[in-house]
Amino acid sequence: DSGVTQTPKHLITATGQRVTLRCSPRSGDLSVYWYQQSLDQGLQFLIQYYNGEERAKGNILERFSAQQFPDLHSELNLSSLELGDSALYFCASSVDGGGNHNEQFFGPGTRLTVL
Amino acid sequence: AQKITQTQPGMFVQEKEAVTLDCTYDTSDQSYGLFWYKQPSSGEMIFLIYQGSYDEQNATEGRYSLNFQKARKSANLVISASQLGDSAMYFCAMREGSNNAGNMLTFGGGTRLMVKP
Repeated sequence: DSGVTQTPKHLITATGQRVTLRCSPRSGDLSVYWYQQSLDQGLQFLIQYYNGEERAKGNILERFSAQQFPDLHSELNLSSLELGDSALYFCASSVDGGGNHNEQFFGPGTRLTVL
Repeated sequence: AQKITQTQPGMFVQEKEAVTLDCTYDTSDQSYGLFWYKQPSSGEMIFLIYQGSYDEQNATEGRYSLNFQKARKSANLVISASQLGDSAMYFCAMREGSNNAGNMLTFGGGTRLMVKP
C-alpha cells in the first residue's frame, strides 16, 4: 500500500458525459501528479499540482481539468468524454515539487471505461 | 524522438536466475533522475529503484540493481534470483529539469517479464 488513495476504482460512463476522479496523497506529500495509461499512448503525464498550485502541465486535453484543494487532495475532471478517453488514470504524490531523489508513489488507479 | 526506450517488449527468465531489462534515455539536461517501476497484473505501480545523474555508484535495493552507464545513456535494471512474483510489466522512467520545472516522469513503453518455474 503506497498510502495514496484514489476513488472510484472503476467508472463506466457514456460518451459526452463528465466524471470526476479523486485522489488523496500520502500524508506529508505536497505534490500530486496525474497520469493516464492507455494501450495507444502508454503512460503519459497529464498535470502536477504543488501545494495547491499548478506546477507542470503535460499532454492534458482542454476537456480535462484538475485542481488541488487546501487539504491537498486533488480532483481530475474529464468532460465531453470520448471513447478514446478510456484508460487507467493514476494519481501519484511526492514530498515536494521538484528536485532530485523524490520518488513518486502511485495510487491504485481509476479505470475509466467510456461506452 | 523517444526520451525513454525499452527495446524488449517481453522477456522470459527461469526462476532463480538473474535478468537484465534494458532502458536507454535521451536528455540534454545535466541533472536528471532515472526510476524503475513494477506494474503487476493487478495494475498498481510500485517504485523499485532510483538513480540520480550525479550518483557515482550504481543504485541497489535488495534484489534490484541499476546498471547506470551515463556515457551510453543507459539505465538497465538487473533483477537477481528471479521469483515467480517478479512476473509483471516493468517501466523505466526519467525526471528531467530543475526544481522550478516540476517533477513529472516520462515513461518508456515497458517490458513484460515472465518468470518460468
